[in-house]
Amino acid sequence: QKEVEQDPGPLSVPEGAIVSLNCTYSNSAFQYFMWYRQYSRKGPELLMYTYSSGNKEDGRFTAQVDKSSKYISLFIRDSQPSDSATYLCAMSGGANNLFFGTGTRLTVIP
Amino acid sequence: DTGVSQDPRHKITKRGQNVTFRCDPISEHNRLYWYRQTLGQGPEFLTYFQNEAQLEKSRLLSDRFSAERPKGSFSTLEIQRTEQGDSAMYLCASSGTSGPGELFFGEGSRLTVL
Repeated sequence: QKEVEQDPGPLSVPEGAIVSLNCTYSNSAFQYFMWYRQYSRKGPELLMYTYSSGNKEDGRFTAQVDKSSKYISLFIRDSQPSDSATYLCAMSGGANNLFFGTGTRLTVIP
Repeated sequence: DTGVSQDPRHKITKRGQNVTFRCDPISEHNRLYWYRQTLGQGPEFLTYFQNEAQLEKSRLLSDRFSAERPKGSFSTLEIQRTEQGDSAMYLCASSGTSGPGELFFGEGSRLTVL
């Protein structure tokens, strides 16, 4: 079993839709949870960063962490074609290596 | 541009040859990481430097792989006797005093082994 599971999609939504992306994990030691966005042939870019459980909002993006269920989510409101990318969840127990999901490929159709 | 830069962006080589990738991190960052990403997968951790000290290595980093950061600035990743399974994107990232996971990635060096 992988430490981090993420549905690879692909996911296609119309412009303006609310997008929900999710990851589950098995290691209860994970305390730091990240979402990275990766455009084609580019490196990942940090989008959201949360510590422990709870919600964090940044503009159209909301990250949620439920440690009791070992489940994290990223919501994108009013999705735009420029949001089309691969979204990677990542997590860490505080050590220097991150564990990434496989990424979910999102396409927002104008 | 003051981001993380990697060179070359794409390398095509024949099996058995040696290749070297270079990473220049953000100048004030003392932490540097190498990750490998294959098609359809997330990045996998390879190694971590704090300043010039290599503090952590993944089991993925076989004897054919070696990484250095001689003066605590740029880093190199060398792969000796390349194999077709080494074909991947090699990503470098750096971070400063921020928390674990707040990494700034470069655009990667894509390796194709024929």
